[in-house]
Amino acid sequence: AQTVTQSQPEMSVQEAETVTLSCTYDTSESDYYLFWYKQPPSRQMILVIRQEAYKQQNATENRFSVNFQKAAKSFSLKISDSQLGDAAMYFCAYRSGRSQGNLIFGKGTKLSVKP
Amino acid sequence: KAGVTQTPRYLIKTRGQQVTLSCSPISGHRSVSWYQQTPGQGLQFLFEYFSETQRNKGNFPGRFSGRQFSNSRSEMNVSTLELGDSALYLCASSLGLAGGPVETQYFGPGTRLLVL
Repeated sequence: AQTVTQSQPEMSVQEAETVTLSCTYDTSESDYYLFWYKQPPSRQMILVIRQEAYKQQNATENRFSVNFQKAAKSFSLKISDSQLGDAAMYFCAYRSGRSQGNLIFGKGTKLSVKP
Repeated sequence: KAGVTQTPRYLIKTRGQQVTLSCSPISGHRSVSWYQQTPGQGLQFLFEYFSETQRNKGNFPGRFSGRQFSNSRSEMNVSTLELGDSALYLCASSLGLAGGPVETQYFGPGTRLLVL
């Protein structure tokens, strides 16, 4: 069975600084997709970024980028120029590429942004 | 396009009662998945419906059931509520096309259920 682990329950960053959230996963599959979702206090889960395992190039979305290390089964999220609105719970998630299966989530990392 | 909507947003029930939650997917999306979120267990997959059929199922007791209508709207039902069913219930929608690249799931705001 696949598992997703986020080892940092809480992180803090100064506004305008850079922070990296860690995620590791375990799978025997070769075809899969990885996601980072953000859940602010309003509870709406919002997609931040996605990465296809077959792509070697790391995904980037504006201030958000990932460091995808397939051999190490690591998928970290880097947030540059942190803003107060980035404060939220961040969830790393795995989805098998074999079918339109369900997402498997990590426990989440609570990110605080200090002004 | 309107996003995923869920009703009601908040619900208070007592043990033993049953509850029905509703989810309307993004227009054109035919797959609806349900997740339970609790502080202790985190986010756990309940089930997924596609074209009115349950396509995937998580590891939850039979008290949790769902259905999907021809317009892709989905309902989730929990019978004989227990205190441990208190949670945020999230639904997510996607196009749901099998055989193609894995699609992103888009989430609704959730229904907060409190069981007393």
